[in-house]
Amino acid sequence: DAGVIQSPRHEVTEMGQEVTLRCKPISGHNSLFWYRQTMMRGLELLIYFNNNVPIDDSGMPEDRFSAKMPNASFSTLKIQPSEPRDSAVYFCASSFGPQGGSDEQFFGPGTRLTVL
Amino acid sequence: AQSVTQLGSHVSVSEGALVLLRCNYSSSVPPYLFWYVQYPNQGLQLLLKYTTGATLVKGINGFEAEFKKSETSFHLTKPSAHMSDAAEYFCAVSDRAGNTGKLIFGQGTTLQVKP
Repeated sequence: DAGVIQSPRHEVTEMGQEVTLRCKPISGHNSLFWYRQTMMRGLELLIYFNNNVPIDDSGMPEDRFSAKMPNASFSTLKIQPSEPRDSAVYFCASSFGPQGGSDEQFFGPGTRLTVL
Repeated sequence: AQSVTQLGSHVSVSEGALVLLRCNYSSSVPPYLFWYVQYPNQGLQLLLKYTTGATLVKGINGFEAEFKKSETSFHLTKPSAHMSDAAEYFCAVSDRAGNTGKLIFGQGTTLQVKP
């Protein structure tokens, strides 16, 4: 198995531009999580999906952020418009799901976003 | 609300020495407990987890952790550090009652291993 796949691995953009981050979870996993990692705030859960349905988006910073999961094998996190304070590493993770809270989450390699 | 505190943002040990990384949680109900490791420029990888049963949990790469309910702790140990153990370590909790899989992470501890 290829593991969780994220693209792009690095993204440099200018303030005000739209940014789309992509994630392909491990096949057969039914939970997907988006995290953001910064030096100041550490690892924060932004949103998570179960069976393609958003369950908790309380971590999404503001309306500029949106996430979708149109099918079991693909999810996007979009920032529009982007701001310099959005610069961070964004991780996608997936888990098998049936054990719920005790399931291991498998993390992708992350997307390093820099907003100039 | 649940929270996780990792004592010490940086820990430095000599190769071959004991590794001890501290984690305390705050929760009305003992949560599921996890330790993840992050190597430079990589995603996180599960080291071990505690769900139920034996309170001493063994994980990969020789690490183990002990759940102590009375101390609300889940400290990570390894008897003998190796250079390859240098990484950032995260303690995390998941709500046992809600059973959603939502993880709350500590701030992380960077482990430095000196030759």
